[in-house]
Amino acid sequence: DTGVSQDPRHKITKRGQNVTFRCDPISEHNRLYWYRQTLGQGPEFLTYFQNEAQLEKSRLLSDRFSAERPKGSFSTLEIQRTEQGDSAMYLCASSVSPEKLFFGSGTQLSVL
Amino acid sequence: AQTVTQSQPEMSVQEAETVTLSCTYDTSESDYYLFWYKQPPSRQMILVIRQEAYKQQNATENRFSVNFQKAAKSFSLKISDSQLGDAAMYFCAYSGGSNYKLTFGKGTLLTVNP
Repeated sequence: DTGVSQDPRHKITKRGQNVTFRCDPISEHNRLYWYRQTLGQGPEFLTYFQNEAQLEKSRLLSDRFSAERPKGSFSTLEIQRTEQGDSAMYLCASSVSPEKLFFGSGTQLSVL
Repeated sequence: AQTVTQSQPEMSVQEAETVTLSCTYDTSESDYYLFWYKQPPSRQMILVIRQEAYKQQNATENRFSVNFQKAAKSFSLKISDSQLGDAAMYFCAYSGGSNYKLTFGKGTLLTVNP
């Protein structure tokens, strides 16, 4: 299966710690997206890359959040000084066209 | 900014019956895409059906069909012959502009009763 891969699937951390998530998109997909989903809500857009360039960031992405996509391949999302409000599912998606985004299985973050 | 509204937090249907999930959206763009995604308890987002705004014909995928009313900015999903495996959270989503990002509604939780 060559779908979108996210690692880890689950992350439990203590408040104040830093965490990093990884997303491996489908190869040749030049567009990569990060979304955040809290329980009972729809996913909310966080940021978007076209190749290695980060072209858009949501206001939801505070100073504590940073995302990278070196060489236009995999992407990382780092949260510094985690807060309990950061607890959510973090979804990654990739695409080459507007007709379809392919989603990964997500990383579930729990901040204690 | 684009918004997507799903006014039904929960719906239920009897197995083998038909159910319709509602969605409205707001946009000033003329060219865009609309989607219905299914999210089972595994939380994997699964594309159910998509509609290009420039196409007047409603999209159909097996037991799933949509009623796309562009002027009314309405995009409902009809599930025919409902099956137990259809039980999930369903999200309506909009994609427009150059970045193709999706804007999701809050979802409708569908229960299928045997």
